[in-house]
Amino acid sequence: KQEVTQIPAALSVPEGENLVLNCSFTDSAIYNLQWFRQDPGKGLTSLLLIQSSQREQTSGRLNASLDKSSGRSTLYIAASQPGDSATYLCAVMDQGGKLIFGQGTELSVKP
Amino acid sequence: DTAVSQTPKYLVTQMGNDKSIKCEQNLGHDTMYWYKQDSKKFLKIMFSYNNKELIINETVPNRFSPKSPDKAHLNLHINSLELGDSAVYFCASSPTGDYGYTFGSGTRLTVV
Repeated sequence: KQEVTQIPAALSVPEGENLVLNCSFTDSAIYNLQWFRQDPGKGLTSLLLIQSSQREQTSGRLNASLDKSSGRSTLYIAASQPGDSATYLCAVMDQGGKLIFGQGTELSVKP
Repeated sequence: DTAVSQTPKYLVTQMGNDKSIKCEQNLGHDTMYWYKQDSKKFLKIMFSYNNKELIINETVPNRFSPKSPDKAHLNLHINSLELGDSAVYFCASSPTGDYGYTFGSGTRLTVV
């Protein structure tokens, strides 16, 4: 059974810092991995999608990597801003087409 | 706007009532989903439909019944609501294949 774990559960950093959010999964047989952002009381916004054959994806200040064999992904946020404060969710698509989520990392960027 | 839209955004109801949540997507996706986010913010799949056909049915009480009149709509009907049904319900869609999901903005259900 696929399980997704995100570390840390919460993170508080001063503005301008570079930071890394971690995601691990137990079954390497995945189709893709997707990082989402969720603001309080809001829906999920897709940030980056990495196909199983890819190693990384970049969008602006965000870079996500995928190491399928070790069951790990990282989300790197460069030069963090207060507007980056949100919960970041990692999810993997299993062979059955289900998206399985981690518990999320709650990020707070202090001005 | 191309999107996944859910209605209502908020739903407060008494125990024992029956309620429905509607979802529509105009992205041309073939597959639609219902997810439940509990009080600890954990998201778990409930159902998935592909071209109006049920393909994923997780261990969900049979008080929950999804209905897909066409591939652009997936509604969720809940009978005999219980306090434990209080959660945020998200609808999502994806194209066929290993592509990403697009989520709606959620429906916050509160059972009192």
